[in-house]
Amino acid sequence: DAGITQSPRHKVTETGTPVTLRCHQTENHRYMYWYRQDPGHGLRLIHYSYGVKDTDKGEVSDGYSVSRSKTEDFLLTLESATSSQTSVYFCAIRKTRDSQETQYFGPGTRLLVL
Amino acid sequence: DAKTTQPPSMDCAEGRAANLPCNHSTISGNEYVYWYRQIHSQGPQYIIHGLKNNETNEMASLIITEDRKSSTLILPHATLRDTAVYYCIVSTSEKLVFGKGTKLTVNP
Repeated sequence: DAGITQSPRHKVTETGTPVTLRCHQTENHRYMYWYRQDPGHGLRLIHYSYGVKDTDKGEVSDGYSVSRSKTEDFLLTLESATSSQTSVYFCAIRKTRDSQETQYFGPGTRLLVL
Repeated sequence: DAKTTQPPSMDCAEGRAANLPCNHSTISGNEYVYWYRQIHSQGPQYIIHGLKNNETNEMASLIITEDRKSSTLILPHATLRDTAVYYCIVSTSEKLVFGKGTKLTVNP
């Protein structure tokens, strides 16, 4: 258990509306990540953060923005949701195990954009 | 693109060892081999990782060939709850690139 929660766990929204997903950690880890997962694909990195106010893009960042105003929370925002953003979104943190940093994942948020 | 090649699916009998292969012929010297699994609808679960030496933990064993171009994840006594998609990833840990993995089905 890596102390990660995601909210909401399920959301249905309409095209064009803004959506914010929250990832919360309890262990004060520096690195946090947002991935999406779609049928036929593995997980794909959207954005990641390496500290408060420090973020960078992943391979599928278009249409998404992120914010990290405090260590424990990493927010993913869809400014104007589209049907192509229907997906399962996973948050991850990076922590040290056996002298090597390893990612641990949250339970996911299922988002349906109608 | 993922830097690993895995068979799309495998079957295993309950109680038997499950041996999941992974090819990573372009692995760099500072990249680790990670294994994760994803049980239906859940977040990926870390299993094990290694650099050069074979590794074992409470979940599995990881065998890495001497040239590091391939590895095998071993679940010594597979149970029905081990049915999942298993991902082999090579990375320096900053960014993980997931491929399509191997769908392991453990049969009773």
